[in-house]
Amino acid sequence: KQEVTQIPAALSVPEGENLVLNCSFTDSAIYNLQWFRQDPGKGLTSLLLIQSSQREQTSGRLNASLDKSSGRSTLYIAASQPGDSATYLCAVYSGGGADGLTFGKGTHLIIQP
Amino acid sequence: NAGVTQTPKFQVLKTGQSMTLQCAQDMNHNSMYWYRQDPGMGLRLIYYSASEGTTDKGEVPNGYNVSRLNKREFSLRLESAAPSQTSVYFCASSDRGSLPQSYEQYFGPGTRLTVT
Repeated sequence: KQEVTQIPAALSVPEGENLVLNCSFTDSAIYNLQWFRQDPGKGLTSLLLIQSSQREQTSGRLNASLDKSSGRSTLYIAASQPGDSATYLCAVYSGGGADGLTFGKGTHLIIQP
Repeated sequence: NAGVTQTPKFQVLKTGQSMTLQCAQDMNHNSMYWYRQDPGMGLRLIYYSASEGTTDKGEVPNGYNVSRLNKREFSLRLESAAPSQTSVYFCASSDRGSLPQSYEQYFGPGTRLTVT
């Protein structure tokens, strides 16, 4: 059974710092990996999708990398801003029987002004 | 485009009551999903519908039923609510084209359900 782990569970950094969020998964047979942002009491906003054949994807100040063989992904946030404060979720799509995403528990990020 | 919409936003039920959560998408996606989010557990798949006319169980289907009413709408029904079903419920949709690597899921705003 696929399991997704996100480290750290919580992170608090001063504004302006570059930071890295980590995601690992136990079964490397995935089709893709998605990073989401969730604000308190809100739904999930898709940030980046990395296909299994890709090594990284970029969107603005966000860069996500994927090392499928080692079961790892990182989300790099450059020049962090208070508006980046949210919970970041990593999810993998493996297909197969239960055909949905398998989620990590998230990293709760606070950017201090 | 509204994307994925869910109703209601909030609901309080008594144990044993029934209700239906509604979900609709306007992106012409063929696949739709229901997840629940619980503190410390992350999001877990309840049911999904790969295409109109089909539904399948996910990781935690007990106590729920679903209906794929048409391509746009996918409802989740609780027949006899229990306190263990207190959770936040999210609906999602995805366009299943020819390449599974490109399946990207889009989520609704959620329904916050409390069962007392």
